[in-house]
Amino acid sequence: DQQVKQNSPSLSVQEGRISILNCDYTNSMFDYFLWYKKYPAEGPTFLISISSIKDKNEDGRFTVFLNKSAKHLSLHIVPSQPGDSAVYFCAAPDGDSNYQLIWGAGTKLIIKP
Amino acid sequence: NAGVTQTPKFQVLKTGQSMTLQCAQDMNHNSMYWYRQDPGMGLRLIYYSASEGTTDKGEVPNGYNVSRLNKREFSLRLESAAPSQTSVYFCASRQTRTGQLSGNTIYFGEGSWLTVV
Repeated sequence: DQQVKQNSPSLSVQEGRISILNCDYTNSMFDYFLWYKKYPAEGPTFLISISSIKDKNEDGRFTVFLNKSAKHLSLHIVPSQPGDSAVYFCAAPDGDSNYQLIWGAGTKLIIKP
Repeated sequence: NAGVTQTPKFQVLKTGQSMTLQCAQDMNHNSMYWYRQDPGMGLRLIYYSASEGTTDKGEVPNGYNVSRLNKREFSLRLESAAPSQTSVYFCASRQTRTGQLSGNTIYFGEGSWLTVV
């Protein structure tokens, strides 16, 4: 059973518009969430995180929103730029083991010029 | 500022051959990981090492072995490669602080592309 789900395998957005990437989770014990960005032929890199005690965290063009009652988080990118084209993963630390992260399957974001 | 370094970057193996993927990190992290990434599957944990001297199975350990050689190095070995092990492999490290929300950021190497024919 996937505890972290990214239901959209891909998303295409016009340059300059807002990109919204979604992530759902099933385990209400998750208390911290991370977003990673991955370019082809590179390893994933950390983008932004949010603690469950917050409902929003912002870093420049990137904002992550957390809705605990819906067990849903979203990553907003405003405005979208061509360099944002990548695969985005959401992840949460496994509540049973502080050493493991549970990963979503990823969403491929394509920014159209 | 090397971070996490893994070698080789590309490798082609014949079925049944063995090989070892090497990984080293220079951030003094206590935890290290080996993941594989397959299309549409996200990142799946093969093995991890919470600290020097310990290793544990992840989600997909079959066909693999690991060695935490020291705090810096964590190797992944395929004893008898199979086509199902064709994948991209990522080594990662993390400073884990039990009970704290911080320290969860995980840093990845650039990946090793392995093809088994």
